[in-house]
Amino acid sequence: GESVGLHLPTLSVQEGDNSIINCAYSNSASDYFIWYKQESGKGPQFIIDIRSNMDKRQGQRVTVLLNKTVKHLSLQIAATQPGDSAVYFCAETLDSWGKLQFGAGTQVVVTP
Amino acid sequence: NAGVTQTPKFQVLKTGQSMTLQCAQDMNHEYMSWYRQDPGMGLRLIHYSVGAGITDQGEVPNGYNVSRSTTEDFPLRLLSAAPSQTSVYFCASRPRAGGGELFFGEGSRLTVL
Repeated sequence: GESVGLHLPTLSVQEGDNSIINCAYSNSASDYFIWYKQESGKGPQFIIDIRSNMDKRQGQRVTVLLNKTVKHLSLQIAATQPGDSAVYFCAETLDSWGKLQFGAGTQVVVTP
Repeated sequence: NAGVTQTPKFQVLKTGQSMTLQCAQDMNHEYMSWYRQDPGMGLRLIHYSVGAGITDQGEVPNGYNVSRSTTEDFPLRLLSAAPSQTSVYFCASRPRAGGGELFFGEGSRLTVL
């Protein structure tokens, strides 16, 4: 899962296994959430988003789950591949302007 | 499509120097923003703009100025650089204020000695 600090949490996953990345968000009034992937030396790339009126949303090989009761978000990656190795960030919308607040990130390392 | 373009990609400054990080987008996006990324701290919002002529402060605005004279450009100015401003800076935009996916540039790595 994600936490604030100097060292990123790391998730080691074997190629072909499923990955689950967790995120605790801070604002119970947040109504929009996004997952981003950031590869080394690059800008964050959008993976999937979800609005607060949904519990689950699926994309290609990815699923986002939202539990508003405990303010928890998760990203599931099916059949993890070497190209999935990256830092993954969750973000929540703070206000009506859509300002995004990001979590600290989770490093995913895919091993052969 | 160019998307969000940031220049320069790398910059080294001495303490007290000033510089401007450039950001341009060619998608006619209303909303533009600047984030800084430091190890283990995710991305923190510096300033944002919801349209030409409108800017506001984010979470960590001190030491930075912005302006938005055109829809396309959103430069970030450091008036007197400090070592604490050593970071990777990302510009991001989206079609409208109010939510939705942010499109990020490739980043500008700044080192202040």
